Amino acid sequence: DGGITQSPKYLFRKEGQNVTLSCEQNLNHDAMYWYRQDPGQGLRLIYYSQIVNDFQKGDIAEGYSVSREKKESFPLTVTSAQKNPTAFYLCASSTTSGGKNIQYFGAGTRLSVL
Amino acid sequence: AQRVTQPEKLLSVFKGAPVELKCNYSYSGSPELFWYVQYSRQRLQLLLRHISRESIKGFTADLNKGETSFHLKKPFAQEEDSAMYYCALARGSNYQLIWGAGTKLIIKP
Repeated sequence: DGGITQSPKYLFRKEGQNVTLSCEQNLNHDAMYWYRQDPGQGLRLIYYSQIVNDFQKGDIAEGYSVSREKKESFPLTVTSAQKNPTAFYLCASSTTSGGKNIQYFGAGTRLSVL
Repeated sequence: AQRVTQPEKLLSVFKGAPVELKCNYSYSGSPELFWYVQYSRQRLQLLLRHISRESIKGFTADLNKGETSFHLKKPFAQEEDSAMYYCALARGSNYQLIWGAGTKLIIKP
């Protein structure tokens, strides 16, 4: 089954703990994205990467970190500095050729604070 | 400022009635706009993009640069159209999208 796989589906974080959300894609897309989705606020961009070993901050990067060591993988770490981490997190990918700007999404990870 | 506004959080219409989900944008350049849809228990997925000028599942959307709008329309709503709909604007050439807050569409039987 091709596409984007996010894991885990549900994640719980304790105070002061860092947690990492996984995102893997087999679409051979160069660009990958992390969004945070809160009720009534749409999707807000956390980080994005257009190529391996390079990534840029989005609109709400504080308290988050990412890496892009492989084309297929773009993990997101929610650090203890993120004071309000409870949200639904979506990973997406897109091709950077043809200027299509079409993003494909994973099923999401719901993060809650214990 | 670049912005996408979907003024309705919730839209409820009867089956067979026309549907219009509103989207307004603010962008200084030539906009590229999309509608994405998320059905219950499914992933967010592309519904249509304005440059394709296509009709998907009976939905159409026309870019109106004068009114800076990209409203999504369907003449006869079906129950399976019930979903969350997001309007999005491509932000420049770096493949980012700016998202509206979304409209939840409920089709009543």
